[in-house]
Amino acid sequence: GAGVSQSPSNKVTEKGKDVELRCDPISGHTALYWYRQSLGQGLEFLIYFQGNSAPDKSGLPSDRFSAERTGGSVSTLTIQRTQQEDSAVYLCASSSSGRAETQYFGPGTRLLVL
Amino acid sequence: AQTVTQSQPEMSVQEAETVTLSCTYDTSESDYYLFWYKQPPSRQMILVIRQEAYKQQNATENRFSVNFQKAAKSFSLKISDSQLGDAAMYFCACYSGGSNYKLTFGKGTLLTVNP
Repeated sequence: GAGVSQSPSNKVTEKGKDVELRCDPISGHTALYWYRQSLGQGLEFLIYFQGNSAPDKSGLPSDRFSAERTGGSVSTLTIQRTQQEDSAVYLCASSSSGRAETQYFGPGTRLLVL
Repeated sequence: AQTVTQSQPEMSVQEAETVTLSCTYDTSESDYYLFWYKQPPSRQMILVIRQEAYKQQNATENRFSVNFQKAAKSFSLKISDSQLGDAAMYFCACYSGGSNYKLTFGKGTLLTVNP
């Protein structure tokens, strides 16, 4: 079946602009995760959704970052007033129910803030 | 808090040879799970292998196997009969419960396969 999809694949924006990144999880997966992968770094957890609720937003680096999930499916990560340090690959993953289930990743969105 | 350490930023192997990638972790939980993911230049993170900590038997998946040393908190990945398509960044990750179900990743090992 279809895997996790993300759009856009690449995004170039100017400092100070807002961006929206989209994730479409595997059908039927209730858990959804956002991670950030900066150059030379590992993956950094941002936020976790179970259904439409986000019980853990602890990884969001600042209040410029927000995320929502509607209908228990598609999620959008929004970064307001982008800064150059926001440049990274943003990866989305989903799993069937959370907990110890294997997380399946999308291809990521590469964000470049000029 | 849990940590995952990959001490080898880069490794190389000859095609058809065997290579072992190292990973150590630290967690205070007794129930946890360990993973190896592969990330080729396409950026897609692909699950290679998974190990449940409560299982004593080392996980295997075709040419990929792990050496899970629970007491030493070590979780190395062995790739046998290396192929050109194995060239990628490999990440070790740990899930150890809590309320957020997040994976904690190491910084990765870049594997080059030489023909």
